[in-house]
Amino acid sequence: RKEVEQDPGPFNVPEGATVAFNCTYSNSASQSFFWYRQDCRKEPKLLMSVYSSGNEDGRFTAQLNRASQYISLLIRDSKLSDSATYLCVVRSDSWGKLQFGAGTQVVVTP
Amino acid sequence: GAVVSQHPSRVICKSGTSVKIECRSLDFQATTMFWYRQFPKQSLMLMATSNEGSKATYEQGVEKDKFLINHASLTLSTLTVTSAHPEDSSFYICSANSYNEQFFGPGTRLTVL
Repeated sequence: RKEVEQDPGPFNVPEGATVAFNCTYSNSASQSFFWYRQDCRKEPKLLMSVYSSGNEDGRFTAQLNRASQYISLLIRDSKLSDSATYLCVVRSDSWGKLQFGAGTQVVVTP
Repeated sequence: GAVVSQHPSRVICKSGTSVKIECRSLDFQATTMFWYRQFPKQSLMLMATSNEGSKATYEQGVEKDKFLINHASLTLSTLTVTSAHPEDSSFYICSANSYNEQFFGPGTRLTVL
């Protein structure tokens, strides 16, 4: 079983709509959680950290459910520029090693 | 945010040659850097953790004699792919921590013919 699992998508979203997707992780001792964004053939860039109480950053809302071991990302009022692959990332130790999901592709259409 | 650079951004080489990739932290010091590999439509896979002044820690299944890592200073780590073969063709990305956030280099796309 993979440590971090994501629905690969693609999620085809009309511009202005809302899209949400989850990621599950297998290590219950995982300490930190992140969503990264990766554009085609580029490096990942941090979108937001995910906190236990859930957090929002503009149009993006992240939630963490430790009991069920999943995190979610919701994008409101989707923009064309939101088209990307969203990587679920989990850190399981204090040395900073990150475990990446394979990514969920989001395609926002006009 | 902090900046991590990688060089070269793209390299094409013949099978059997060795390729060196450099990863630099430009505006901060990094005692630890990480090397990842990403195949098309797959997740980033951690290859090794590079520690300044000591040996790198390799993940299971990664050959340390094939992927040589040197972290000689607080701002530079190098990954050398020795005797590269077509199956080593991939996107290699390094990263470094700064204030508890991990910053990624722009990646090196290696194509072995």
